[in-house]
Amino acid sequence: GQGVEQPAKLMSVEGTFARVNCTYSTSGFNGLSWYQQREGQAPVFLSYVVLDGLKDSGHFSTFLSRSNGYSYLLLTELQIKDSASYLCAVKGTNTGKLTFGDGTVLTVKP
Amino acid sequence: EAAVTQSPRNKVAVTGGKVTLSCNQTNNHNNMYWYRQDTGHGLRLIHYSYGAGSTEKGDIPDGYKASRPSQENFSLILELATPSQTSVYFCASGGVSYEQYFGPGTRLTVL
Repeated sequence: GQGVEQPAKLMSVEGTFARVNCTYSTSGFNGLSWYQQREGQAPVFLSYVVLDGLKDSGHFSTFLSRSNGYSYLLLTELQIKDSASYLCAVKGTNTGKLTFGDGTVLTVKP
Repeated sequence: EAAVTQSPRNKVAVTGGKVTLSCNQTNNHNNMYWYRQDTGHGLRLIHYSYGAGSTEKGDIPDGYKASRPSQENFSLILELATPSQTSVYFCASGGVSYEQYFGPGTRLTVL
């Protein structure tokens, strides 16, 4: 089976950074995605990783360690508008199906 | 121009009634998905499709049926709605890339 775990809440300060963690256990692994979801809106794709290491995409960076079943999304130079829920999703097979975590609600304070 | 649209956006149904949620995509993606999202939780996959005429069970298919009459359209059908099906439903499409594109969601309340 598959399980994807995320902390429920995270708080940080404008201008600093936030790291959203995700751990997973799957019977197979074919990549991990991050989505941003604002209150009352649909999820929006941010990033996808399939290889170990850090993938720098500017404001959003993602890290993956397949041996540890661990990923994080790093947001730098935080803005108030980065306050949202961040969803981690694992693609366990070649079917295209994603298993989502419950999301981490990030609150960015002034 | 929105690539994935859903209708209705809001729906109130009575217990035991039939509900049909519709989804249309203009991305020309083969894969389409129906998820539900309950307050404070992530997305759970109900049904998905690889193309016109195909439907597959997701992780929580009980109480739901799906229909994919064309590349563009994917419907979710609740034959006998129950209050436990009160939720927000999202449709998504996806192609060969890893990204899924989501519709705006339908808020369903079953009384």
